[in-house]
Amino acid sequence: DGGITQSPKYLFRKEGQNVTLSCEQNLNHDAMYWYRQDPGQGLRLIYYSQIVNDFQKGDIAEGYSVSREKKESFPLTVTSAQKNPTAFYLCASRFWDTEAFFGQGTRLTVV
Amino acid sequence: QQQVKQSPQSLIVQKGGISIINCAYENTAFDYFPWYQQFPGKGPALLIAIRPDVSEKKEGRFTISFNKSAKQFSLHIMDSQPGDSATYFCAASVQTGANNLFFGTGTRLTVIP
Repeated sequence: DGGITQSPKYLFRKEGQNVTLSCEQNLNHDAMYWYRQDPGQGLRLIYYSQIVNDFQKGDIAEGYSVSREKKESFPLTVTSAQKNPTAFYLCASRFWDTEAFFGQGTRLTVV
Repeated sequence: QQQVKQSPQSLIVQKGGISIINCAYENTAFDYFPWYQQFPGKGPALLIAIRPDVSEKKEGRFTISFNKSAKQFSLHIMDSQPGDSATYFCAASVQTGANNLFFGTGTRLTVIP
């Protein structure tokens, strides 16, 4: 069945390590988004992509990187430059101005 | 700068009562206003959405009221149930261009039995 899948559900990162969060969708949506969620701060946009091989920075892109080599996939790398990466990360996809569908999230913790 | 301002941050309602969450925006180009419901550890899911050509939209116990001149919209949950306990986010976007969804900071609703 159609949907958006994030993996892993839980991820632990050591200091100085890069980690990659996976996001896959089979909804044939052009637009994909990465949000970071912290308590009391809502959803903040990290990166978004409207088409393959193109993406733009959101409000809090520093310390993160993305790629969009396939329409279905939009992985997010949390680099060592991100000093406070512990958060709940949400991936979403959308067809133009219609409903955005979210994945179940990845909870990243620095150990 | 918060594009969409949401209040209250938390809300406690008795079972059977009415829950009301408010949002305000500044960008008059916004033309799509959804509400999302999120349970702990899960991704948000669309609850109900409205476009500015109508002032109210109702789906079951959930109603969006939209005031274009005041640049405000609100979610009303009638006959609130314990199962409605969740975090609610309002959002707004523009139909053209980047189509980014701008979210409010969320309201944590607790419905007491």
